[in-house]
Amino acid sequence: QTVVTQEPSLSVSPGGTVTLTCGLSSGSVSTSNYPSWYQQTPGQAPRTLIYSSNTRSSGVPDRFSGSFLGNKAALTITGAQADDESDYYCVLYLTSGMIFGGGTKLTVL
Amino acid sequence: EVQLVESGGGLVQPGGSLRLSCVASRFTFSSYAMSWVRQAPGKGLECVSMISGTGRSTHYADSVKGRFTISRDNSKNTLYLQMDTLRAEDTARYYCVKQLTMIVVAPGDAFDIWGQGTMVSVSP
Repeated sequence: QTVVTQEPSLSVSPGGTVTLTCGLSSGSVSTSNYPSWYQQTPGQAPRTLIYSSNTRSSGVPDRFSGSFLGNKAALTITGAQADDESDYYCVLYLTSGMIFGGGTKLTVL
Repeated sequence: EVQLVESGGGLVQPGGSLRLSCVASRFTFSSYAMSWVRQAPGKGLECVSMISGTGRSTHYADSVKGRFTISRDNSKNTLYLQMDTLRAEDTARYYCVKQLTMIVVAPGDAFDIWGQGTMVSVSP
C-alpha cells in the first residue's frame, strides 16, 4: 500500500523561509495527484491552505505557496511568523482515495 | 460564512454504536460532497468516509468499512455517520468537512471547509 510521506519535524527562524515536502513511498508526485495542504494549530481544527498543487484557499496569505520539488509536492512558507508554528498535512489523490501524509510539525524559533 | 457544526460524540463501550451529525449552513449543501475526517489523540488525520452531493456514491477507509455508514439528508442540510461495532482504536475527534467538488474521490478535489469536530471515546 502506497504511503504519503512528510518530514516529521522542521524548524525555521522568524522571518525565514522553509519548504515542507510531500512524497510517495513508491513513485513520484505529479499534478495528477492534486496535492493539497492543511495547517493545524494546537487545539484547533485544520485549515485548508493550498489545493490543486498551487491554488491558495480563500484568505490564505501569499506567504504560503505550493509547488513541486524534484519528485515531491512542496509547501513553502516565506517570512515565517510565530503563529505559523503548527502541524502541516498534505493530501494526495490516489486510486485508493484521498490520502493524508503523517504531518510535519513546524517550529518557529 | 460557511458553517459546519458537529454533534453526537461521547463515551461508548467497545462494541457499541454512536451516530454523529453535522449541520451545514450558508452554502448549497446538495452541491458538494462531504467527508468525515478523524484524528486520534496526538496522531494525524485520516479520512474515514466520503459521500457525494446526491448521496448516491460513498467511499470508506478500510479501517471502518463494514462498521461505519455515511449518509446525508439534503432537505435538512445534515450529514451523518453511523458508527457500529466501535473499537478502542476508533477513539478520535471526528471532523465534518465540505469538499470542493460534488463527486466522491474526484480528481482535483480537496478538503475545503472544516467543522470544529466532535470527540468520540471508546472505552470500557
